Amino acid sequence: DTGVSQDPRHKITKRGQNVTFRCDPISEHNRLYWYRQTLGQGPEFLTYFQNEAQLEKSRLLSDRFSAERPKGSFSTLEIQRTEQGDSAMYLCASSLTNEQFFGPGTRLTVL
Amino acid sequence: AQSVTQPDIHITVSEGASLELRCNYSYGATPYLFWYVQSPGQGLQLLLKYFSGDTLVQGIKGFEAEFKRSQSSFNLRKPSVHWSDAAEYFCAVGAITGGFKTIFGAGTRLFVKA
Repeated sequence: DTGVSQDPRHKITKRGQNVTFRCDPISEHNRLYWYRQTLGQGPEFLTYFQNEAQLEKSRLLSDRFSAERPKGSFSTLEIQRTEQGDSAMYLCASSLTNEQFFGPGTRLTVL
Repeated sequence: AQSVTQPDIHITVSEGASLELRCNYSYGATPYLFWYVQSPGQGLQLLLKYFSGDTLVQGIKGFEAEFKRSQSSFNLRKPSVHWSDAAEYFCAVGAITGGFKTIFGAGTRLFVKA
């Protein structure tokens, strides 16, 4: 399967803990995006990379959030000192042109 | 700022009936427009997209959408709904700046009754 993959699919953590999610894009795609989707809402843009460069970050991305794409391939999204409000589905997408392909998401539950 | 409005939070249609889901967008230039479908526990699947050209676009699963610049709308239609179409539908606009990041509407949940 050559689609976008995300790991883990589900994560349950306690408030205050750090979590890290991984996204593997479609191999030839140079752009990679992170979105967050809360219940009953559409996905909201968090950040995007072109190759290894992080070119834009949303205001939603507080200082507790950091994303990397060290070699321009896979990406990680880390949330430090998680809060209950961080509970959401975190979606990754990749693209080569103006169409994005989405992964299945990582569902985070913060207790 | 770019935005997408889906005025209907949920819609219920009978199986076999026609469907229209509304979408209005705000964008300063010619938009890239998308409709996605999301079933419970599933990722986003692209139904169709509009970049340029013919304003009536065909998608997968028998869906179509019409771009109307004068109304800033991109409504999704299907002539005959199947029970398996029950899902959440998202309209989205792709921003040319910002690496084509996508701005999504809040979604419309479709219920299909027998």
